[in-house]
Amino acid sequence: AAGVIQSPRHLIKEKRETATLKCYPIPRHDTVYWYQQGPGQDPQFLISFYEKMQSDKGSIPDRFSAQQFSDYHSELNMSSLELGDSALYFCASSFYTDTQYFGPGTRLTVL
Amino acid sequence: AQSVAQPEDQVNVAEGNPLTVKCTYSVSGNPYLFWYVQYPNRGLQFLLKYITGDNLVKGSYGFEAEFNKSQTSFHLKKPSALVSDSALYFCAVSYGGATNKLIFGTGTLLAVQP
Repeated sequence: AAGVIQSPRHLIKEKRETATLKCYPIPRHDTVYWYQQGPGQDPQFLISFYEKMQSDKGSIPDRFSAQQFSDYHSELNMSSLELGDSALYFCASSFYTDTQYFGPGTRLTVL
Repeated sequence: AQSVAQPEDQVNVAEGNPLTVKCTYSVSGNPYLFWYVQYPNRGLQFLLKYITGDNLVKGSYGFEAEFNKSQTSFHLKKPSALVSDSALYFCAVSYGGATNKLIFGTGTLLAVQP
């Protein structure tokens, strides 16, 4: 079965640079969620979209923005990167409020 | 405030023995409860969920969980552990609807010894 696709899988950036993470949901899923997992931490909710509209917002820094496009894929844009942004970023998708299925994650390292 | 607690950082069990990974929650209303498993350098894999109905929920790979409203618990169980079950297990809660975000516990590392 098709799964959630995230790209890139690994990303290395310098402080103050910009990064863009992409997420392609499971076909026919209309909702996308972004989570951040720091080293040794549990995943923390950042933001979600339903039918291309923001549906909920968590502890997402103002330096981050995200959107969901007409083909339902989503992008998380991160600017002015800080060392503390180094983490595993997960995207999950669901059909409306059904079970969330997670992608493999993007590991972001900020040097 | 909504919260999920996993009181054990690590659970050790011998292969073939039953395993239990504990989870308690502190939320109002009728939460949805989930278990996910994370293998090293991998994403979170869905195991099972409780929405409503039968308190005993069966999931993937022989895992099951029992919802106990009076004790606000949702412990994960398996009758016979495998070495390949060794991984990090997360309990999570959501409310569904527009606020469908998952709130995770801190995770429990399950180590199954051969």
